[in-house]
Amino acid sequence: DVKVTQSSRYLVKRTGEKVFLECVQDMDHENMFWYRQDPGLGLRLIYFSYDVKMKEKGDIPEGYSVSREKKERFSLILESASTNQTSMYLCASTRSGGGNEQFFGPGTRLTVL
Amino acid sequence: GDSVTQMEGPVTLSEEAFLTINCTYTATGYPSLFWYVQYPGEGLQLLLKATKADDKGSNKGFEATYRKETTSFHLEKGSVQVSDSAVYFCALYSGSARQLTFGSGTQLTVLP
Repeated sequence: DVKVTQSSRYLVKRTGEKVFLECVQDMDHENMFWYRQDPGLGLRLIYFSYDVKMKEKGDIPEGYSVSREKKERFSLILESASTNQTSMYLCASTRSGGGNEQFFGPGTRLTVL
Repeated sequence: GDSVTQMEGPVTLSEEAFLTINCTYTATGYPSLFWYVQYPGEGLQLLLKATKADDKGSNKGFEATYRKETTSFHLEKGSVQVSDSAVYFCALYSGSARQLTFGSGTQLTVLP
């Protein structure tokens, strides 16, 4: 059974803390994505990666960075968490080529106090 | 840029009712179109897709037809079940953007 796993389902952090969200996929996919999901806004792309050590900004990259040191792992980093980053964060992966199915993790609900 | 507009929710139906969730899009070129579903407490999963005009995607009794002339990809099901209660997202992929663009999602609740 193919899987995308995320390190935490729920996370509570304080303003100013550095936050790491980890995502691992076991499908040998080249492409990985980080989204945030907010009510009424759907999913918005933060960053994506088409290969190891490679990253591209999505629609809302401000306040975030990413790391992809290994093919199966894609990390999202909040350098200094703020309350407006309270959200659901979803990781996804897909094989290379356009228009392929994205496989999603279960999400991490992050609350920044 | 690319955009997807889908029917505002929430939508509440009785079991066995007919479902339509409207989705229209704006994109350059010829995008691929998708419907994803998110069950409570889970990530999104692909429900169906269509890659060219007049294609019909179908899965689990759900259908959607890629209509280029109306730039639409409406989701339909003839008889919904309580287990269909979820959030439904319409999305498109265009080669120029190299990423999925999602609609805002429609919450569906089916009552027994």
